[in-house]
Amino acid sequence: AQTVTQSQPEMSVQEAETVTLSCTYDTSENNYYLFWYKQPPSRQMILVIRQEAYKQQNATENRFSVNFQKAAKSFSLKISDSQLGDTAMYFCAFMKLTGNQFYFGTGTSLTVIP
Amino acid sequence: GAGVSQTPSNKVTEKGKYVELRCDPISGHTALYWYRQSLGQGPEFLIYFQGTGAADDSGLPNDRFFAVRPEGSVSTLKIQRTERGDSAVYLCASSLYQLSNYGYTFGSGTRLTVV
Repeated sequence: AQTVTQSQPEMSVQEAETVTLSCTYDTSENNYYLFWYKQPPSRQMILVIRQEAYKQQNATENRFSVNFQKAAKSFSLKISDSQLGDTAMYFCAFMKLTGNQFYFGTGTSLTVIP
Repeated sequence: GAGVSQTPSNKVTEKGKYVELRCDPISGHTALYWYRQSLGQGPEFLIYFQGTGAADDSGLPNDRFFAVRPEGSVSTLKIQRTERGDSAVYLCASSLYQLSNYGYTFGSGTRLTVV
């Protein structure tokens, strides 16, 4: 079974500062995908960033980057130059390489303070 | 359509009633997924369609839940004899290819409240 753990229910950050959201997971798979999704009040899940476990290089998308530690089964999200529009729930998710479903964590509510 | 459309946006029903939730995927997307998101939780997988057939329904919690996709486009999630524990946001997603691992588009969900 796959499990995803987000131990920070709520976080806040000052506008323009940097914040890191934590995620750990458990799996017996060797190859898989990891994701961070953003869910604003509109409820739509929006893909922030994606990492393939077989790639050693950490994924980066503009202000968003990850720190992927495969041996530790850790996958944290760093948001640089935080903006008010980053305020949302953030979910870490796992998918098997040949899977068809996400396994989501319980989420972290991020508030960007002006 | 431009995105995944879910109707209704909100639904309040009485315990014991039957409800239908609709999902209209992006045109041409062959794969369609349903997830349930309870309060304070992440979404949990319910069922996956490839075309008209349910390729994986392992997430359906019990036989009160059923989903169809008769023409390989619109899907309906049906819940019989609703219970208060069924209250949640029901999310639908679609993707262009089977087993696509990043090309998902989610809808905005239906918030179901059973009173």
